[in-house]
Parts: sequence; structure tokens; C-alpha cells
Amino acid sequence: AQSVAQPEDQVNVAEGNPLTVKCTYSVSGNPYLFWYVQYPNRGLQFLLKYITGDNLVKGSYGFEAEFNKSQTSFHLKKPSALVSDSALYFCAVRDKGSDYKLSFGAGTTVTVRA
Amino acid sequence: DTAVSQTPKYLVTQMGNDKSIKCEQNLGHDTMYWYKQDSKKFLKIMFSYNNKELIINETVPNRFSPKSPDKAHLNLHINSLELGDSAVYFCASSQDGGSVGQPNEKLFFGSGTQLSVL
Repeated sequence: AQSVAQPEDQVNVAEGNPLTVKCTYSVSGNPYLFWYVQYPNRGLQFLLKYITGDNLVKGSYGFEAEFNKSQTSFHLKKPSALVSDSALYFCAVRDKGSDYKLSFGAGTTVTVRA
Repeated sequence: DTAVSQTPKYLVTQMGNDKSIKCEQNLGHDTMYWYKQDSKKFLKIMFSYNNKELIINETVPNRFSPKSPDKAHLNLHINSLELGDSAVYFCASSQDGGSVGQPNEKLFFGSGTQLSVL
């Protein structure tokens, strides 16, 4: 079985401050991990993915995420948040030993205040 | 050109009706999906087709029937609509669905269909 948890429903930060969105996962084997962002009234957009190799993954819009196997985490980070980063963020996981199906977290709403 | 387009954007209908949502992708992708997002924004996969073949069929009522006439299209037909079907339905596509040992390519989502059943 595979699952992903996003422990925070909401994250609020001031513009210019660091932003972190937390994600932990559970798989029986090794994971493929993803972050997606959803702006209001839009479909999800891909931000970044971890497949293998370097634990620090860089993605779109200045976001990065760090894969931590011992803590089974894949937290999304941005050093300096922008008001335009305000959106709903989803973490997703797939066990490498299974096929096709991604499991999404419940989402974290990020609000960046000016 | 929109990569993944779905119609209609809004669908308001009465209980018991039958309705369809259409989806088309012009990315040349092999795999297409239907996801349901509920009022709490929880996202759940419903179906996936790879080269017109059904590869994921989650536990959804059999009132929901996907149809893929070709690789570029995946439509969703819903019979006997119920109040609980109200949600946003997203179509998505990817180059590869992600077979065992192979990573999923990134998903491209449509902008969603807001279904309201009255």
C-alpha cells in the first residue's frame, strides 16, 4: 500500500520569508515522489519530482524539495516566498514496485501575505 | 492551444439525469486519466487509459463509465446522477502511465469540470 500525508492544512507566511510545505509518505518499497500546485479554478500543475539520485530536487518557480529516506519525507521549500505562490499544493507518491497509480495527499493551502 | 481541454467547464443538472464530460489532449500522450476532487479538495483517481486500454479502474460506482475512442480522447459518462456526485472532475494526460519500475511522466491537467447535482 502507498499513501502520503500533508500534516498542515494551511501554511501562512509573509512575502520574502522562507516557505516550507511538509509531506511524508509511506510505501512498501522505494518511492517516486512529486509535487503539484493548483491555482484557483485551475487544474494541477507539475512542480518537481524525485526519481532517484540527488536528494535535493529543483523544480519550477524557484521551488525545491528534499528527499529524506530515513524520515520518509519530501518537504517542498522556497527560500523567499512571493504573493503569487499562494495556492494549493499537493504531494504525490508511487511505489516503484507498483504500476501506474499515483496517490495524492490532501493538499496544503499556502497563503503568502504582502 | 490548450494542451488538455475538457468540456463543459460547468455542469448543473438534476438528480437522476445522465451526463457526459469530454476530454481531449493534443500532446500526443499515451495515457489519460479522470480524477475527482471533492469539496475538501481531496483528489482521487477514478480511471486511467493507456493507448485506449483501461489500466486503472478504482472503486467507483458503475454509473460512471469512461470511454476512449482514441488516444487523444477520454470521455466520462455518468448515469443516474446523485447528489454525492457533485465535485470537480479533472482530466489529465501523461506520456507514460508509469509501468512497474518506470517513473510516471508528469501529468498535465485540464482546468476541470464543476459538476453540481441538484
